[in-house]
Amino acid sequence: AQTVTQSQPEMSVQEAETVTLSCTYDTSESDYYLFWYKQPPSRQMILVIRQEAYKQQNATENRFSVNFQKAAKSFSLKISDSQLGDAAMYFCAYNRGGSEKLVFGKGTKLTVNP
Amino acid sequence: EPEVTQTPSHQVTQMGQEVILRCVPISNHLYFYWYRQILGQKVEFLVSFYNNEISEKSEIFDDQFSVERPDGSNFTLKIRSTKLEDSAMYFCASRPKHLQGRGAEAFFGQGTRLTVV
Repeated sequence: AQTVTQSQPEMSVQEAETVTLSCTYDTSESDYYLFWYKQPPSRQMILVIRQEAYKQQNATENRFSVNFQKAAKSFSLKISDSQLGDAAMYFCAYNRGGSEKLVFGKGTKLTVNP
Repeated sequence: EPEVTQTPSHQVTQMGQEVILRCVPISNHLYFYWYRQILGQKVEFLVSFYNNEISEKSEIFDDQFSVERPDGSNFTLKIRSTKLEDSAMYFCASRPKHLQGRGAEAFFGQGTRLTVV
């Protein structure tokens, strides 16, 4: 069974600094997708960034980028120029191609200090 | 911006009672999901629903659970006889068909906190 591990229950960063959230996953599949979702307090989860396993290039969305290391099964999220609004719970998720199921990690709570 | 909405935000029910959690997915979406998160644990997939039938379900989704899209706009999760261990946050999600090829990227609601006493 596929598993997703987020080893950092909590992280903090100073406003305008850079922070990296870690995620590892376990799978024997070759066709899969990886996601980072953000959940602000009392709000719904929203997609931050997506990575297709067949793409070698790391995905980037504005201040958010990933470091996708396929051989190491690692998918970390880098947030540059952190803003107060980035404070949230961040979930890493895995999806096997052809399946409708997202497998989530336990999440990392990010605090942004002014 | 369109959102997935869930009602109620918090529901308290007695053990053994039936409960229905309601969701209004985004209007042009075709795939619908329920996930749950027991306090302190991971978000877990329960079921996916497409074309008026279950397309995938987890081992958690046993005979106590059922889903329905009764009127073309709502998507409901029914728990027939609630147990204490059903206490969790339940998330509804949806996605449009044109996102095929981008994995099961989904749009989530805010969740319903179910407390079974």
